[in-house]
Amino acid sequence: SAVISQKPSRDICQRGTSLTIQCQVDSQVTMMFWYRQQPGQSLTLIATANQGSEATYESGFVIDKFPISRPNLTFSTLTVSNMSPEDSSIYLCSVSTGYGYTFGSGTRLTVV
Amino acid sequence: DAKTTQPPSMDCAEGRAANLPCNHSTISGNEYVYWYRQIHSQGPQYIIHGLKNNETNEMASLIITEDRKSSTLILPHATLRDTAVYYCIVDAGGTSYGKLTFGQGTILTVHP
Repeated sequence: SAVISQKPSRDICQRGTSLTIQCQVDSQVTMMFWYRQQPGQSLTLIATANQGSEATYESGFVIDKFPISRPNLTFSTLTVSNMSPEDSSIYLCSVSTGYGYTFGSGTRLTVV
Repeated sequence: DAKTTQPPSMDCAEGRAANLPCNHSTISGNEYVYWYRQIHSQGPQYIIHGLKNNETNEMASLIITEDRKSSTLILPHATLRDTAVYYCIVDAGGTSYGKLTFGQGTILTVHP
């Protein structure tokens, strides 16, 4: 199965700033997925990132707040823009494998 | 809304079998049942999946009822390291590819 490297693993950021999270996969994948996990909650899909096209966002998530890049088949970034304390969450990327989906280890973001 | 229902928590003694139930009464004919677990807010880890038949791998067994409306994940010899949140998910792929809907899962606590 694919191996995902996600960076940073954690960060503490000031409100009003932006953070870019990187996700690197050790094999080429068509789709990459970004999830958010708010404290004490389950995972929620933010968007699907295809190489060469605009990301597809789920209801409640917008490109201005969570811009996504997908420059090639092994890499994607998610930016959390103009952060507020409500954005404090774990953000995870995921890819499809031959056995379901593989997830990165997550980025634990705290906004102060 | 999640398409599965799981008990919020379960306990299991170390070395005993852990049987985690899941109801998916509205499952479609082309939807697979997947099980993932999440340890200490790390990324979810794939455990097993199945369509109709019972499945077994090195981690667990999956028992799916004949009407496919429920399933049970079995960890045959639970260890302390199996303490985690276990998610049961139904996924058809296709146009919903990658759009995993995570419910609240079952918190399994394995005690000595």
